[in-house]
Amino acid sequence: DTEVTQTPKHLVMGMTNKKSLKCEQHMGHRAMYWYKQKAKKPPELMFVYSYEKLSINESVPSRFSPECPNSSLLNLHLHALQPEDSALYLCASSQVVTVNSPLHFGNGTRLTVT
Amino acid sequence: GIQVEQSPPDLILQEGANSTLRCNFSDSVNNLQWFHQNPWGQLINLFYIPSGTKQNGRLSATTVATERYSLLYISSSQTTDSGVYFCAVEGYGGSQGNLIFGKGTKLSVKP
Repeated sequence: DTEVTQTPKHLVMGMTNKKSLKCEQHMGHRAMYWYKQKAKKPPELMFVYSYEKLSINESVPSRFSPECPNSSLLNLHLHALQPEDSALYLCASSQVVTVNSPLHFGNGTRLTVT
Repeated sequence: GIQVEQSPPDLILQEGANSTLRCNFSDSVNNLQWFHQNPWGQLINLFYIPSGTKQNGRLSATTVATERYSLLYISSSQTTDSGVYFCAVEGYGGSQGNLIFGKGTKLSVKP
């Protein structure tokens, strides 16, 4: 079982909907990440939080809004998405955002935008 | 930015066979990790190995940082080894926490 828990597992939303993806870890990690993975492609980094502060935003459109309420939780708020945003969204955590800190992934949320 | 190339892109093995997957990178790295993504999408961290050799059961990995490559060895393969194997690196000049993934090697192990 993964130690990074993501909910929901599947999500179907219309282009006018607002939804949120949630991620939780209880390993005491202080770095958390959102990745996006399209079919048959590698994961692509979206956001990095270090000690609850946003440290990397990989030029992600504003219709994706991350939030880190505390060191264990990471949310991704979705609004006015496009069909091309359909993908597997992966949350990950590591002890810190530096070397010698392996990345642990959750099982992902499969998002379909209709 | 740093480039990551994995080979082969696809690999089909009979159960029990051994295999070697390769990851080449274009610049010096301070972070290199190998992952296995199973057919259900779950990504598992196999090794954190910016240099040296590590072993974990039937899997082992070696990174030769000076020559900019890493190898993942799978011995006595099993059908549960099927999936995509990703190498991911972070260069010294990049933003901390920004792992760059290769395109992966898709492994199919036949019974």
